[in-house]
Amino acid sequence: DTEVTQTPKHLVMGMTNKKSLKCEQHMGHRAMYWYKQKAKKPPELMFVYSYEKLSINESVPSRFSPECPNSSLLNLHLHALQPEDSALYLCASSPSRGGSEAFFGQGTRLTVV
Amino acid sequence: SQQGEEDPQALSIQEGENATMNCSYKTSINNLQWYRQNSGRGLVHLILIRSNEREKHSGRLRVTLDTSKKSSSLLITASRAADTASYFCATSPPGTYKYIFGTGTRLKVLA
Repeated sequence: DTEVTQTPKHLVMGMTNKKSLKCEQHMGHRAMYWYKQKAKKPPELMFVYSYEKLSINESVPSRFSPECPNSSLLNLHLHALQPEDSALYLCASSPSRGGSEAFFGQGTRLTVV
Repeated sequence: SQQGEEDPQALSIQEGENATMNCSYKTSINNLQWYRQNSGRGLVHLILIRSNEREKHSGRLRVTLDTSKKSSSLLITASRAADTASYFCATSPPGTYKYIFGTGTRLKVLA
């Protein structure tokens, strides 16, 4: 199984809502990532988990809260988002430090209204 | 910003023609990777070239790397309409978990 599965595929939420994005991989990868991508732009790194510990936070606002419950799961909790947070959120995993192939999920298209 | 630059930003060619896109990066690297993204979907890994390699082939893909110029190119030969996508280079500074993506090239192959 070489898939990274993200749910939901689409999400519309109000600015006062709390929602979560989920990501799952069963490749035994020990590094997992959240990226944010705006239209016609490259993915921007948000968070990296290594061996279930947060190793990189790219100065992401606290309204985004990552969680790694176990080595296969990665969540992104969303609260009090702004319309400008609307984007494609991509989860990825890799076997080791950056420098090996990363596997990406299909993304969650988030719209904040 | 550590982000690399790609050119051209957009490229439109006829089916059967070759497509070349270029990537420049800023940091030292262990390797450079190319990814493809169909509209609004996840990224798919295409090819990885190590810093001690100058050229690599995979099917219709040919990648070159010039570490002295901090640049790489991706050549897609005999393009097909199905190659229409955005293409990104990605680098990882040694010892980090980061994948830093270039600005991307949007390729359109006309049938």
